[in-house]
Amino acid sequence: DAGVTQSPTHLIKTRGQQVTLRCSPKSGHDTVSWYQQALGQGPQFIFQYYEEEERQRGNFPDRFSGHQFPNYSSELNVNALLLGDSALYLCASRFQSYEQYFGPGTRLTVT
Amino acid sequence: RKEVEQDPGPFNVPEGATVAFNCTYSNSASQSFFWYRQDCRKEPKLLMSVYSSGNEDGRFTAQLNRASQYISLLIRDSKLSDSATYLCVVNTGNQAGTALIFGKGTTLSVSS
Repeated sequence: DAGVTQSPTHLIKTRGQQVTLRCSPKSGHDTVSWYQQALGQGPQFIFQYYEEEERQRGNFPDRFSGHQFPNYSSELNVNALLLGDSALYLCASRFQSYEQYFGPGTRLTVT
Repeated sequence: RKEVEQDPGPFNVPEGATVAFNCTYSNSASQSFFWYRQDCRKEPKLLMSVYSSGNEDGRFTAQLNRASQYISLLIRDSKLSDSATYLCVVNTGNQAGTALIFGKGTTLSVSS
């Protein structure tokens, strides 16, 4: 039973560029959430997708957008990258219960 | 006031010690509570959910006090492998929205 998977594992981008991160939820899960974790901080909620719609959004600018596909996988897009966007981006999935399970994350470095 | 507050530590304890972590949350409408464990440069992993009646899983005991908006985690007989950051996590959403709100984490270092 595969857990949550994310790609790529690492990414280096330049300021102003755009990036797309991908997530496949744990088998049987239908809800995907994205979190940003800066160094030394706890993860911060970006948004959540269910039935291919954004259901809830945290305090992140519109540069952060996402999508969920019919197979429940999801993408996180960040436009006009800033140095402050450098972080570990985590995807979490769940099905019905409140317990969420995290993927290994994508470490994004913006230079 | 931050939504979820934890003492960042670090807590440095010898093997076999008992250690307790505390956490407070600000939103009285919070519905679900968890402790996650995060190893260095890895993803958070669910350690245990926290129930009003308190719950135990082996050497780990979690307690919830809704009146005081306080959550605790007790680790007995600490092992070297318990060294990690422990994240206190609260969910305030309903079924349609279940964002997890994380504390900054408490670092535990267990030494031999």
